[in-house]
Amino acid sequence: DTEVTQTPKHLVMGMTNKKSLKCEQHMGHRAMYWYKQKAKKPPELMFVYSYEKLSINESVPSRFSPECPNSSLLNLHLHALQPEDSALYLCASSHRRDSPYEQYFGPGTRLTVT
Amino acid sequence: EDQVTQSPEALRLQEGESSSLNCSYTVSGLRGLFWYRQDPGKGPEFLFTLYSAGEEKEKERLKATLTKKESFLHITAPKPEDSATYLCAVQAVKGGSEKLVFGKGTKLTVNP
Repeated sequence: DTEVTQTPKHLVMGMTNKKSLKCEQHMGHRAMYWYKQKAKKPPELMFVYSYEKLSINESVPSRFSPECPNSSLLNLHLHALQPEDSALYLCASSHRRDSPYEQYFGPGTRLTVT
Repeated sequence: EDQVTQSPEALRLQEGESSSLNCSYTVSGLRGLFWYRQDPGKGPEFLFTLYSAGEEKEKERLKATLTKKESFLHITAPKPEDSATYLCAVQAVKGGSEKLVFGKGTKLTVNP
């Protein structure tokens, strides 16, 4: 099974709201990723967790706060977002971060900031 | 700087009309090249990993090949359900090697 699940599928939030995106995988993968994808663009890497520790932060604004509670779960906490943050947020996982293992993506959360 | 360029940006085919998508890359040291398929509003679906020049992989109507400078995704006798955006990504050997560098994708439309 190569499934990564994400909830919610859709999220509409105001600029003053606090919300969280959730991602889960049960493939035993030890690397997990958050990407942001705008329409007609490729995914852009935001964060990488390796063995539950943050290993890469691609200079993402602090209004995005990642969390990895355990090896199967990855959260993205959102606060005081801007309309330009509206996008498809993708979670992915791979066996490890430092080898050419393919990343498996979840279906994404479509976020709209009003 | 690592770069991935995909061509064409968009491709329209008639059902059964075979063609190829191109992914050219410049990286300091290739660890792996990946092909993904993405349907609108959904996450990318993994298709293939290629590790070294000369390698080929096949899955149904798709065949991926790799040289030292580029990869091709050959689509044989495509069907309308093959319509999607195909993304190519490379993983380089250097600091931050876990990062994938994506191309902008080729949007494939197969008409019945």
